[in-house]
Amino acid sequence: QKEVEQNSGPLSVPEGAIASLNCTYSDRGSQSFFWYRQYSGKSPELIMSIYSNGDKEDGRFTAQLNKASQYVSLLIRDSQPSDSATYLCAVNKSGYSTLTFGKGTMLLVSP
Amino acid sequence: NAGVTQTPKFQVLKTGQSMTLQCAQDMNHNSMYWYRQDPGMGLRLIYYSASEGTTDKGEVPNGYNVSRLNKREFSLRLESAAPSQTSVYFCASRVLGNTEAFFGQGTRLTVV
Repeated sequence: QKEVEQNSGPLSVPEGAIASLNCTYSDRGSQSFFWYRQYSGKSPELIMSIYSNGDKEDGRFTAQLNKASQYVSLLIRDSQPSDSATYLCAVNKSGYSTLTFGKGTMLLVSP
Repeated sequence: NAGVTQTPKFQVLKTGQSMTLQCAQDMNHNSMYWYRQDPGMGLRLIYYSASEGTTDKGEVPNGYNVSRLNKREFSLRLESAAPSQTSVYFCASRVLGNTEAFFGQGTRLTVV
């Protein structure tokens, strides 16, 4: 099992819809979780961080964490064409100084 | 603040040539990282420096060396470039612990 898994997509949603991006991780001791957005040809930029079970909301973005199921998700409400990008899930394992990234999910929002 | 700055942004090398990618951060971060990103492979860790004075191998270290010159600077060296090292290279930094990483703008390297 890969350490951090994401569906590569593309995930296509119409403008105004909710986009749901999912990520699973293998190390049960993982403690911190991050969602990055990466536009084509650009560097990853942080959207959300989440550290405890439950939901964390920031504007149109909601991160959800379920440590028992080893699952983290990102919901984007009222999706806009400008949200079209690749979304990377990153996990920090307990005791490690490194972030492990999934391969990313490409999101396409059509007008 | 500039954040994380990488140089150069683009580079073309011939097989067997050497080069050093430079990275500097002005956020007083302790940890610095070098990743490579290839289509369909995601971000893979090459080397990292958890704190000044230490360096460790990541997932794909072969063919690379690193130097943590001081707290601000972390360089990546290709001693004898190979076409398999054609990639986009990202430097990142973060505070120790469970914090987020901040990325530089990337270096697009082509080895012919």
